[in-house]
Amino acid sequence: DAKTTQPTSMDCAEGRAANLPCNHSTISGNEYVYWYRQIHSQGPQYIIHGLKNNETNEMASLIITEDRKSSTLILPHATLRDTAVYYCIALMNRDDKIIFGKGTRLHILP
Amino acid sequence: EAQVTQNPRYLITVTGKKLTVTCSQNMNHEYMSWYRQDPGLGLRQIYYSMNVEVTDKGDVPEGYKVSRKEKRNFPLILESPSPNQTSLYFCASSLWVKGGELFFGEGSRLTVL
Repeated sequence: DAKTTQPTSMDCAEGRAANLPCNHSTISGNEYVYWYRQIHSQGPQYIIHGLKNNETNEMASLIITEDRKSSTLILPHATLRDTAVYYCIALMNRDDKIIFGKGTRLHILP
Repeated sequence: EAQVTQNPRYLITVTGKKLTVTCSQNMNHEYMSWYRQDPGLGLRQIYYSMNVEVTDKGDVPEGYKVSRKEKRNFPLILESPSPNQTSLYFCASSLWVKGGELFFGEGSRLTVL
């Protein structure tokens, strides 16, 4: 799996867009970028994933740079309930070892 | 409802007393995995299984055993628990072809005295 690098923590004002960066400069061509979040001590929750193109779902948008060396998860209108640790991982389909780093702790400020 | 169910959710035990944490999923997923989470160390993979009777070690397998006799179940066994196995444990599963879309259980908080 490609190693990913994320900031340890970030703050965002409630109602604003939260932009969470992830660097994956060694990502290979067939590795996807996945995002998860973990609220307090609950089980992590899948958010979104992508390969090359930008992706959007009901939870978030994922912007992947053209060279695929970095990506940004966007929560368009952050709420207090979005306070969580966000994990970015890179892996291929059918990967067996799925390794999470330490993620970014996002604080949404009222 | 699609879910991954872990039991027990909370357990306090003593050193050396064998215990099993069960994990069951109802989504017919091939892939299952166990993680532990400790403050400052993030999620670390203990064991994983790609299908029935196929298991392999993750990054921190010492002191743990697993089995995968049925597709839906993937129990985590601590033969002789020690205090350094005090942790929050998560089970997860996914379809093999969608390996990255893991579904996680609610977690099992284990304390070994």
